[in-house]
Amino acid sequence: NAGVTQTPKFRILKIGQSMTLQCAQDMNHNYMYWYRQDPGMGLKLIYYSVGAGITDKGEVPNGYNVSRSTTEDFPLRLELAAPSQTSVYFCASTDSFLSGNTIYFGEGSWLTVV
Amino acid sequence: GENVEQHPSTLSVQEGDSAVIKCTYSDSASNYFPWYKQELGKRPQLIIDIRSNVGEKKDQRIAVTLNKTAKHFSLHITETQPEDSAVYFCAAQNYGGSQGNLIFGKGTKLSVKP
Repeated sequence: NAGVTQTPKFRILKIGQSMTLQCAQDMNHNYMYWYRQDPGMGLKLIYYSVGAGITDKGEVPNGYNVSRSTTEDFPLRLELAAPSQTSVYFCASTDSFLSGNTIYFGEGSWLTVV
Repeated sequence: GENVEQHPSTLSVQEGDSAVIKCTYSDSASNYFPWYKQELGKRPQLIIDIRSNVGEKKDQRIAVTLNKTAKHFSLHITETQPEDSAVYFCAAQNYGGSQGNLIFGKGTKLSVKP
């Protein structure tokens, strides 16, 4: 049982490039999230999903896109990378808040845009 | 939407002393309040949580209190140890339209001096 797996762990992008951060969970969780954490700051919600085929914007969605074609996978797409997107990205999942289950975080993806 | 304020941003205590971190939230519909500990370069880890139908919860040296009327909740760590040094984040569940939106405070850097 791997939990929440994120790839890549580290990446350097040039301004204007595109990339996808991959996130997969093997716990059959319905809820999945993408957060970004700037240095010395808290976690800001980018996008979330309450189940396959359903996604919604969080606090800071601009410049990102997501999809949820399966329960397991929740990739985050950066279309035109900008220096402001330099951050640590965390994917997370949970079964249900209503049942009081813990949110599980991935190990993080360090992204630098130059 | 939900807004979570966390204070103080930094906290330094002597080993064995107590530490208290406070958070306020804006959305009266929020009903789930977890606390996360994040060590440098690592993912956030849940240390304790509380629901709105409970006023206080304790787990060994860690306790959380909730005042729904005032919309604030606090983390209490007693008999602090050097390994308690980390950044602590509070969070509040914002039901919104999907019942899955978790908003974080900006974090408190706790330093425990031996």
